[in-house]
Amino acid sequence: NAGVTQTPKFQVLKTGQSMTLQCAQDMNHNSMYWYRQDPGMGLRLIYYSASEGTTDKGEVPNGYNVSRLNKREFSLRLESAAPSQTSVYFCASDRQGAFGELFFGEGSRLTVL
Amino acid sequence: DQQVKQNSPSLSVQEGRISILNCDYTNSMFDYFLWYKKYPAEGPTFLISISSIKDKNEDGRFTVFLNKSAKHLSLHIVPSQPGDSAVYFCAATRFNNAGNMLTFGGGTRLMVKP
Repeated sequence: NAGVTQTPKFQVLKTGQSMTLQCAQDMNHNSMYWYRQDPGMGLRLIYYSASEGTTDKGEVPNGYNVSRLNKREFSLRLESAAPSQTSVYFCASDRQGAFGELFFGEGSRLTVL
Repeated sequence: DQQVKQNSPSLSVQEGRISILNCDYTNSMFDYFLWYKKYPAEGPTFLISISSIKDKNEDGRFTVFLNKSAKHLSLHIVPSQPGDSAVYFCAATRFNNAGNMLTFGGGTRLMVKP
């Protein structure tokens, strides 16, 4: 019953460092998403992958890259972290037909100093 | 500019009473709306949804109302329970096959007092 698993749960970076947030789902879902949550801003879509082998930009893609490694895994990479990327990051997935019903991971809290 | 807004950052309600959470949107292309609930240190979970062809949808204690002319939706919780204390996000999207690209509001923190 793992659902959507994100690692790491917490990370502190210095400005300019790089890191990758990992996400895996075991529900055989086609689509996967990366959101960031900031106070008062709700969740904003960074990138999404409608199916294995495809990725598309969301609302706030600048400073991020993604890789849909296979159907299960969708990673988010920060090449050169900036303080503005301090946030809580959520990975999500959904199944075909369950429109709008995303399954979220527990989140990864990232602090960039 | 935020296309989905929740103007009340917080709401406090007594147990057993009604909780009403409000949400406004500006994009007239949105035709599907959802509410998500989030507890601390957890990811959001889907609660209830409504299509623009309806004006009301019920699921147990939760009812969502949609007023398309006003571009407004609300979530009613009756009766409210302490376990309902959480942050509630409304979300909107266009019904298409390109992916569930939801636009979220900023959230409302609901506190239900025993």
